Amino acid sequence: SQKIEQNSEALNIQEGKTATLTCNYTNYSPAYLQWYRQDPGRGPVFLLLIRENEKEKRKERLKVTFDTTLKQSLFHITASQPADSATYLCALDSAGGTSYGKLTFGQGTILTVHP
Amino acid sequence: NAGVMQNPRHLVRRRGQEARLRCSPMKGHSHVYWYRQLPEEGLKFMVYLQKENIIDESGMPKERFSAEFPKEGPSILRIQQVVRGDSAAYFCASSPDAEETQYFGPGTRLLVL
Repeated sequence: SQKIEQNSEALNIQEGKTATLTCNYTNYSPAYLQWYRQDPGRGPVFLLLIRENEKEKRKERLKVTFDTTLKQSLFHITASQPADSATYLCALDSAGGTSYGKLTFGQGTILTVHP
Repeated sequence: NAGVMQNPRHLVRRRGQEARLRCSPMKGHSHVYWYRQLPEEGLKFMVYLQKENIIDESGMPKERFSAEFPKEGPSILRIQQVVRGDSAAYFCASSPDAEETQYFGPGTRLLVL
């Protein structure tokens, strides 16, 4: 069956360091993968989308990689700040079929950046 | 451009009552998605709608739950005869196209007593 796993439930790092979050999936052939940020009591906020034919995407201090052979995406936040503390979700959409736009989310990684 | 709007933000119902959750997508967005987030669990897809059509309802329980997105007005997620297990945060998202980024609303937190 299809499965998405985000490698750790919680990640604690020091301010200024790079945070690296992992998303692994099995039995999927995603057309693209997305990363979202969710703060307590709020809805997810879109951060980055990377397509299956792209290896890497950057946006300011954020970088996402997508390895369809390893079935893994890495999400990096460089020069992390306490304001980056939140839950980060990866989400997959599958190519083909009739369910374009149906996102399947990982359980999330809670990132805490300590000053 | 206003974001996705959901109301009410908080809803308390007693067992057996009906819950109606509303979602107004972003302007120009014709695709609406509903997700449920149970306490200590991840977001789970429920239903995907376009104007007047249900495209995919594979994540929605067969009984008591229904969704609509009429030609005019917001999308409605309706839960009949609520039970305690329906207590959760319900999020709506919209997109201009099925393959585009989804923009989420703030959610409706349903508490069933």
